[in-house]
Amino acid sequence: GQSLEQPSEVTAVEGAIVQINCTYQTSGFYGLSWYQQHDGGAPTFLSYNALDGLEETGRFSSFLSRSDSYGYLLLQELQMKDSASYFCAVRPQGGKLIFGQGTELSVKP
Amino acid sequence: DTAVSQTPKYLVTQMGNDKSIKCEQNLGHDTMYWYKQDSKKFLKIMFSYNNKELIINETVPNRFSPKSPDKAHLNLHINSLELGDSAVYFCASSPTGTLYEQYFGPGTRLTVT
Repeated sequence: GQSLEQPSEVTAVEGAIVQINCTYQTSGFYGLSWYQQHDGGAPTFLSYNALDGLEETGRFSSFLSRSDSYGYLLLQELQMKDSASYFCAVRPQGGKLIFGQGTELSVKP
Repeated sequence: DTAVSQTPKYLVTQMGNDKSIKCEQNLGHDTMYWYKQDSKKFLKIMFSYNNKELIINETVPNRFSPKSPDKAHLNLHINSLELGDSAVYFCASSPTGTLYEQYFGPGTRLTVT
């Protein structure tokens, strides 16, 4: 079977750093993606890791450890507009993405 | 200049009716998808088409029938709607080979009463 685990909710204050973890179990693995979805909006692509290590894109970074079946999304200098749901998604064999249940991030002033 | 568009944005209908949702992308992508997002925000793939050919059908009831007239369009027709079909339906697209980076439409919120 295939499963992804990520925390359901995370709360942080403006200016802080937050890490959203994702562990996965899949049959075959090509990479891990992260998507952001604001309330009432569409998921938007943030990052993709196919190899171990850290990928940085502005205030957001994503990390992957294939040996641990684990990844995380790191958000720095949090802003109120970062309040959203964040989904990890694995690309197993079969030409599709499997999404996690999502982590609702609340940024407080 | 919308990349992936869907119509309608909202759809309210009664059980037993038949309805369609349309999707168009102007990104030149070869692959298009339909996803269902339930009330708990779980996002699950339903279908995937590559160049008008069905490549993924995720054990969706056969009341759901996708159709791709060309690689820029992917429609979803739903027969005999049930209460459990209430959800947000997203269309998405990606270039072949980079399915990890998908571009989503704004979604269609379907409410079945």
